[in-house]
Amino acid sequence: DTEVTQTPKHLVMGMTNKKSLKCEQHMGHRAMYWYKQKAKKPPELMFVYSYEKLSINESVPSRFSPECPNSSLLNLHLHALQPEDSALYLCASSQVLAGDPYNEQFFGPGTRLTVL
Amino acid sequence: AQSVAQPEDQVNVAEGNPLTVKCTYSVSGNPYLFWYVQYPNRGLQFLLKYITGDNLVKGSYGFEAEFNKSQTSFHLKKPSALVSDSALYFCAVRDITGFQKLVFGTGTRLLVSP
Repeated sequence: DTEVTQTPKHLVMGMTNKKSLKCEQHMGHRAMYWYKQKAKKPPELMFVYSYEKLSINESVPSRFSPECPNSSLLNLHLHALQPEDSALYLCASSQVLAGDPYNEQFFGPGTRLTVL
Repeated sequence: AQSVAQPEDQVNVAEGNPLTVKCTYSVSGNPYLFWYVQYPNRGLQFLLKYITGDNLVKGSYGFEAEFNKSQTSFHLKKPSALVSDSALYFCAVRDITGFQKLVFGTGTRLLVSP
């Protein structure tokens, strides 16, 4: 299985709602990532988990809360979002090989989020 | 800081013609470079990566990239374009502060006309 899956595909939420995005991979990768992508822009890194521990937080507002319950799953909990948070949210995974800069990231199809 | 630049917002090419999507890099130390493609409303798909020593890198779907150290470039190429190659292409470089971070270029839209 060489796939990263994300649910839901689309999500519309109000500014007072609480929702979660889910990501799953079964490639044995021990690094997982959340990216935010605005239309016609490159992905922006939000969070990185390595061996289920948060290793990078790119100064993301606290209304975004990541969680890595096990090595295959990654969640992004959303609360009190703003309309400007509307974007495509991409999950990715990769191997974690000590000192190896060549390992590529595998991306899921993304969740299209609209905040009203 | 590591960075890549994609000087063209869009590249237009006729089907059957060769295509080139340009990328230049600025890095401290060795460059670890990647190309990804994104089809509409989809995630990114890995195309190829530069491994030290291989100036011509072959990747998925018939794509290849030419690494040129003197010109600090890593251009993506394909000998014969297909309409289905129309997509958004991103060049990326591994961040020096941590191998888990990728720094992406701004992207180039490739439009292949029939």
